[in-house]
Amino acid sequence: ETGVTQTPRHLVMGMTNKKSLKCEQHLGHNAMYWYKQSAKKPLELMFVYSLEERVENNSVPSRFSPECPNSSHLFLHLHTLQPEDSALYLCASSQELAWDTQYFGPGTRLTVL
Amino acid sequence: QKEVEQNSGPLSVPEGAIASLNCTYSDRGSQSFFWYRQYSGKSPELIMFIYSNGDKEDGRFTAQLNKASQYVSLLIRDSQPSDSATYLCAVFTNTGNQFYFGTGTSLTVIP
Repeated sequence: ETGVTQTPRHLVMGMTNKKSLKCEQHLGHNAMYWYKQSAKKPLELMFVYSLEERVENNSVPSRFSPECPNSSHLFLHLHTLQPEDSALYLCASSQELAWDTQYFGPGTRLTVL
Repeated sequence: QKEVEQNSGPLSVPEGAIASLNCTYSDRGSQSFFWYRQYSGKSPELIMFIYSNGDKEDGRFTAQLNKASQYVSLLIRDSQPSDSATYLCAVFTNTGNQFYFGTGTSLTVIP
């Protein structure tokens, strides 16, 4: 596998479910990001990890919980989500928080019922 | 006030013409500026970045930055139908280490 991969590609969940999104990068990068993309809204940066340490948390509700066990993997744990959380969740990676080397994964399309 | 503003479009240009995409930003402390292309149903792809005032050229693409006017633009010369996509402007500011995107401009190149 090459680049940045995300699983699952599509997810439908109820408001009481707990699920996790997975991201894996094969680029040798050491920074990883979670973004949310909703219709008609700007892409929103949610979390930033550098060398497995969280460096940014942009006032994201606690029902979203990130985890970065190593520099190649990033998870987003979801619980008690709301319908307005339905969106495309994109993972990205870069070399040393250099925004000019940022590559995005294909995204997970999440629908909360 | 939005941190990064773009006209949503759609912007239509004939094949071979120059497409001009514009972006303004609110934080004067912004230091780095990026243009992404996003095809329908796909993830964003970085195509240009610029840090200094003036022009930066890469193939058919030219990014232009004017920090005094808080304005950044992307010119696409000899537009091709394959350039049809949504173009996202993004700005990095040292104030709180924030990275903001605009809502994007939809471009259609008509054959």
